[in-house]
Amino acid sequence: GAGVSQSPSNKVTEKGKDVELRCDPISGHTALYWYRQSLGQGLEFLIYFQGNSAPDKSGLPSDRFSAERTGGSVSTLTIQRTQQEDSAVYLCASSLRAAGLYEQYFGPGTRLTVT
Amino acid sequence: AQSVTQLDSHVSVSEGTPVLLRCNYSSSYSPSLFWYVQHPNKGLQLLLKYTSAATLVKGINGFEAEFKKSETSFHLTKPSAHMSDAAEYFCAGGGSSASKIIFGSGTRLSIRP
Repeated sequence: GAGVSQSPSNKVTEKGKDVELRCDPISGHTALYWYRQSLGQGLEFLIYFQGNSAPDKSGLPSDRFSAERTGGSVSTLTIQRTQQEDSAVYLCASSLRAAGLYEQYFGPGTRLTVT
Repeated sequence: AQSVTQLDSHVSVSEGTPVLLRCNYSSSYSPSLFWYVQHPNKGLQLLLKYTSAATLVKGINGFEAEFKKSETSFHLTKPSAHMSDAAEYFCAGGGSSASKIIFGSGTRLSIRP
């Protein structure tokens, strides 16, 4: 079946502009996760959803970052007034449930470059 | 697992020699443990997972990992490295009472010809 998809695959934006990143999880997966990966670095957890609720927003770096999920499916991560330090690959993952028992399935990522 | 530690940030081996990537976890209950691989400019792919059925877990591409409770370890091994194994590897852990799995900081595996 279809895996996790993310769009766009690449995004170049000017400093100060807003961007929206989209994630389509695997059908039937109720949990969805956003991570950030800077060049050569590990995974930085941003936020996760169980259904449309976000119980843990602790990883969002600043109030310029927000995310929503609608219909228990598609999620968008919005970065307002982008800064150069926001440049990174943003990865989305989904799992059957939001629990530590379930593996996460990752999308290919969106590479964001802020100039 | 409540935390996951990958002991080596970079491992380099010669093609055809064994691979060992080390991972330790901390947990007060039975963990679920995972290994993922990330090839350049790709997302993460699940290699294998442990969920208490068997301590030796076989994954894709000839990799396997052994859960050792006494050592709180879940090291990833492969008998013979191939050039295509060059990638970043992430160990991850969770458990029944965790809301998500926690990722280690990653180990970059390089393969020398």
